[in-house]
Amino acid sequence: QSALTQPASVSGSPGQSITISCTGTSSDLGAYNYVAWYQQHPGKAPKLIIYDVSNRPSGVSNRFSGSKSGNTASLTFSGLQAEDEAVYYCSSYTTSDTWVFGGGTRLTVL
Amino acid sequence: QVHLVQSGAEVKKPGASVKVSCKTSGYTFTGYYMHWVRQAPGQGLEWMGNINPDSGVTKYAQKFQGRVTLTRDTSISTAYMELSGLGSDDTAVYYCARDQYCTSAACYPYFHYWGQGALVTVSS
Repeated sequence: QSALTQPASVSGSPGQSITISCTGTSSDLGAYNYVAWYQQHPGKAPKLIIYDVSNRPSGVSNRFSGSKSGNTASLTFSGLQAEDEAVYYCSSYTTSDTWVFGGGTRLTVL
Repeated sequence: QVHLVQSGAEVKKPGASVKVSCKTSGYTFTGYYMHWVRQAPGQGLEWMGNINPDSGVTKYAQKFQGRVTLTRDTSISTAYMELSGLGSDDTAVYYCARDQYCTSAACYPYFHYWGQGALVTVSS
């Protein structure tokens, strides 16, 4: 099972909107809506910020939104803030009854 | 309050094995799958496998088949990950992560609770 494909880095200014893409295959992203996004700050464990493609856990900012089309999922930030600077990982359940992560995208707030 | 507390850092020689523990509290241990995820220095997350603590049934990522063993001790609500045949590329932080994010309406199969991570360094 290969990792999902994410851009290595993205950047934006405070208040800007940006989107991170995550591309998989018909065996993972294209097969189910079991898609999640995790945020990881340096030295910390990952934190679930989106589940089931587009749902936010309780307490997660509504500036984060998720979507999916075919084999590609996306995470959108509306109104970047300095505290959003982190690494973001997409994840999907697969037809092999396993889970796969993306390679991670480092978000820099300029 | 759900807590996952992992064992401490380990230094191992190439070819050795390592066993990392994940002691849980605050929920019914046998009610939720436990996953193991690793992260090499400066690298991304990698799913290794999971265990059903109730039945002991495991599922491993193909990459780790034959080298990883997930077990549990229900009497002390603790999950274990043992990795054998260590090489330098196994140097990583190993996380346990509990299955299921639950709302008042339903539960969803995602990694909501994580251990603090256990650094395993493989070096001669």
